[in-house]
Amino acid sequence: AQRVTQPEKLLSVFKGAPVELKCNYSYSGSPELFWYVQYSRQRLQLLLRHISRESIKGFTADLNKGETSFHLKKPFAQEEDSAMYYCALSRGGSEKLVFGKGTKLTVNP
Amino acid sequence: KAGVTQTPRYLIKTRGQQVTLSCSPISGHRSVSWYQQTPGQGLQFLFEYFSETQRNKGNFPGRFSGRQFSNSRSEMNVSTLELGDSALYLCASSLPDSGNTIYFGEGSWLTVV
Repeated sequence: AQRVTQPEKLLSVFKGAPVELKCNYSYSGSPELFWYVQYSRQRLQLLLRHISRESIKGFTADLNKGETSFHLKKPFAQEEDSAMYYCALSRGGSEKLVFGKGTKLTVNP
Repeated sequence: KAGVTQTPRYLIKTRGQQVTLSCSPISGHRSVSWYQQTPGQGLQFLFEYFSETQRNKGNFPGRFSGRQFSNSRSEMNVSTLELGDSALYLCASSLPDSGNTIYFGEGSWLTVV
């Protein structure tokens, strides 16, 4: 079965500190992995996807197939990074996303 | 370019009633999918439509149904509402073969009393 686990419901860091949001997945195949972000009072939006290997807003995520993980990292957190972060996977070619329960990141001044 | 538009944004229904939610995808997008978001279960996939055909269905009872029209607009219907159906219902759209870049609407908040 497809499953995405985000072990931390809440994560709080100080501005300028490194941040890592964990994501582990279970999937028998080659999934596509994504991170979505939801800022306060805004719609859910794509942050990054593993196939593009981009760095968006200073965030990066590396797919580790051996550990079935796709952790999201940023070396220096900013207050504007405070939001809900969702890890998700899909089977290639499908629009069906399986989401984790989300991690609420708070960056304190 | 307008984003995914969902109507109504907020609604309150009574147990046993039915509700229809509407979604207008981004212009040119032909794939539409629906998700239910609740505090307890998080984001759960309901169904996906492409060219008026349901391509995928999540693990929800038959009370949840949907359809897509020839202009790619979509509706979902929930019949015989239960208290547990109270949730934020999100619609998302994407281009065909876009590599799964999915854009979400702001959602329809449904409260069942």
